[in-house]
Amino acid sequence: NAGVMQNPRHLVRRRGQEARLRCSPMKGHSHVYWYRQLPEEGLKFMVYLQKENIIDESGMPKERFSAEFPKEGPSILRIQQVVRGDSAAYFCASSPRDVTDTQYFGPGTRLTVL
Amino acid sequence: GIQVEQSPPDLILQEGANSTLRCNFSDSVNNLQWFHQNPWGQLINLFYIPSGTKQNGRLSATTVATERYSLLYISSSQTTDSGVYFCAVLATDSWGKLQFGAGTQVVVTP
Repeated sequence: NAGVMQNPRHLVRRRGQEARLRCSPMKGHSHVYWYRQLPEEGLKFMVYLQKENIIDESGMPKERFSAEFPKEGPSILRIQQVVRGDSAAYFCASSPRDVTDTQYFGPGTRLTVL
Repeated sequence: GIQVEQSPPDLILQEGANSTLRCNFSDSVNNLQWFHQNPWGQLINLFYIPSGTKQNGRLSATTVATERYSLLYISSSQTTDSGVYFCAVLATDSWGKLQFGAGTQVVVTP
């Protein structure tokens, strides 16, 4: 059973470009979460999604950031018009049945904005 | 929101030593997880332990939910144990939002 998959693992963008981060949850998992780890900091919750629904986006910056988890395909975290402050590691996690279940984390995508 | 405090912030151990890491949280929780972030940045699940005691090899964890703390024990430490250990909790009024502590940076020297 493959774990949570994220791609790309490393992403370099210039200021003003768009970044798209993908996350495929573990098989059978219907809950997806995104977290961000800024340099030298802990992880901060961004958004919680189920298929075709955003359940909690209280940690998402108000502008430029969006997330989706379509009926088919991976979850996408999209950052428009990236700035240097967006440079961070972005982790995706998934859980099987219940929101209180264990969250399993992917390897992360390391975004560098030049 | 719920507060999560980890101690100590830094720990230097000689190989073979034992250690205890602590996680205090300010409110009731439905979920508590311990993670190890290795020097390559990968987050490794160690324990899902909202209450009780679990053991996995040289690692064990205990959560006393009524007193709002959890302990992670590392015995006979090895250099591969180096990295940052995070505690994360899910408050009872939170839907899926794991709140992470600041972590304990562990360095194990040969």
